[in-house]
Amino acid sequence: EAQVTQNPRYLITVTGKKLTVTCSQNMNHEYMSWYRQDPGLGLRQIYYSMNVEVTDKGDVPEGYKVSRKEKRNFPLILESPSPNQTSLYFCASSLSFAASGGRGGNQPQHFGDGTRLSIL
Amino acid sequence: AQKITQTQPGMFVQEKEAVTLDCTYDTSDPSYGLFWYKQPSSGEMIFLIYQGSYDQQNATEGRYSLNFQKARKSANLVISASQLGDSAMYFCAMRDRWGRDDKIIFGKGTRLHILP
Repeated sequence: EAQVTQNPRYLITVTGKKLTVTCSQNMNHEYMSWYRQDPGLGLRQIYYSMNVEVTDKGDVPEGYKVSRKEKRNFPLILESPSPNQTSLYFCASSLSFAASGGRGGNQPQHFGDGTRLSIL
Repeated sequence: AQKITQTQPGMFVQEKEAVTLDCTYDTSDPSYGLFWYKQPSSGEMIFLIYQGSYDQQNATEGRYSLNFQKARKSANLVISASQLGDSAMYFCAMRDRWGRDDKIIFGKGTRLHILP
């Protein structure tokens, strides 16, 4: 079954304690992305990766790190979490823009089930 | 700069009526894609419909259609014959590739309530 798997689904932790949220996809997608969802703000892109070893900042990258050492995995790292990073996080994957022939990136994102993160 | 605007934070609609959810966008890239996603209360993101900037016809998927007005930069979602199960949060999103970027941006969403 095609899927994007995020772990953990829920996490409560304390300020400053490093954490990693894992994301894995089994669809051989080049493009992977992390979003955070906050009430009234919709989804905002944190980082994205167009392929292995290629990562780029989204709109809200401060306080986060990512890596893309393998095509299937795209972990999100919070080196020193703070309360303002309390949010619902989504990982997503899709084929690349180029895979759609460059015509509007017509490949929809496949989303994980989300990780609800609380930083105390 | 890329921008997506959903001007309706919330809507209440009677069951069986048609619904239009507004979405306007801005981009300098001639090649872009517009997407609508549904997020029910359970939290998952469900892809509904896609419209490409070069598509000549408006996209349709079952009860969903996209009213694409390129000159006005709007991509409104139309749900025909609404059902109670349509109650959810709806997000409009845009993907383009300006330079080497491949960002995807979302609107703030519209919460739709279908009344029995």
